[in-house]
Amino acid sequence: GAGVSQSPSNKVTEKGKDVELRCDPISGHTALYWYRQSLGQGLEFLIYFQGNSAPDKSGLPSDRFSAERTGGSVSTLTIQRTQQEDSAVYLCASSSRGREDTQYFGPGTRLTVL
Amino acid sequence: GNSVTQMEGPVTLSEEAFLTINCTYTATGYPSLFWYVQYPGEGLQLLLKATKADDKGSNKGFEATYRKETTSFHLEKGSVQVSDSAVYFCALSQTGFQKLVFGTGTRLLVSP
Repeated sequence: GAGVSQSPSNKVTEKGKDVELRCDPISGHTALYWYRQSLGQGLEFLIYFQGNSAPDKSGLPSDRFSAERTGGSVSTLTIQRTQQEDSAVYLCASSSRGREDTQYFGPGTRLTVL
Repeated sequence: GNSVTQMEGPVTLSEEAFLTINCTYTATGYPSLFWYVQYPGEGLQLLLKATKADDKGSNKGFEATYRKETTSFHLEKGSVQVSDSAVYFCALSQTGFQKLVFGTGTRLLVSP
């Protein structure tokens, strides 16, 4: 079946603009995760959803970052007033109930803030 | 807090050489341990995992054994191929906490 998909694959924006990144998890997967991969910080956890609620948002780096999930499916990560240090690849992953230790990753969105 | 330490790369090998990529971890309790691989231009893929002490995860000729006494999960392959060239990430997840904690990644370059 289809894997995790993310859009856009690449996003270039100007400093101070808002951006929205989208993730479509594998159909039927109840858990959804956002991570960030950057040269300076490696792979970092951002937020975890179980259904539509986010029991762990401990990795969001500032209040400029927010995420939501609707219908237990699609998720959107929003970054407001982007800064150059936000430039990174944003990865989404999903897993099925009872198998949360096996996460399937999407191809990522490469964000470049000029 | 929880953390994962991997050997620095790149690791450069000739085809058919033996591979070891070291990984050690710091965690309370009994985390699950993983190796993920990222091939050039592709997303992260789960390579193998182990969920308790002394378990051995294996896939595609790669193996790693969960060693609680040394808090290690070293990745090994007996004979690497050019197609194994990729970045390998060691990771852990703590029971009850769903997030993965990753190491910094080790780039493997295999030449013919």
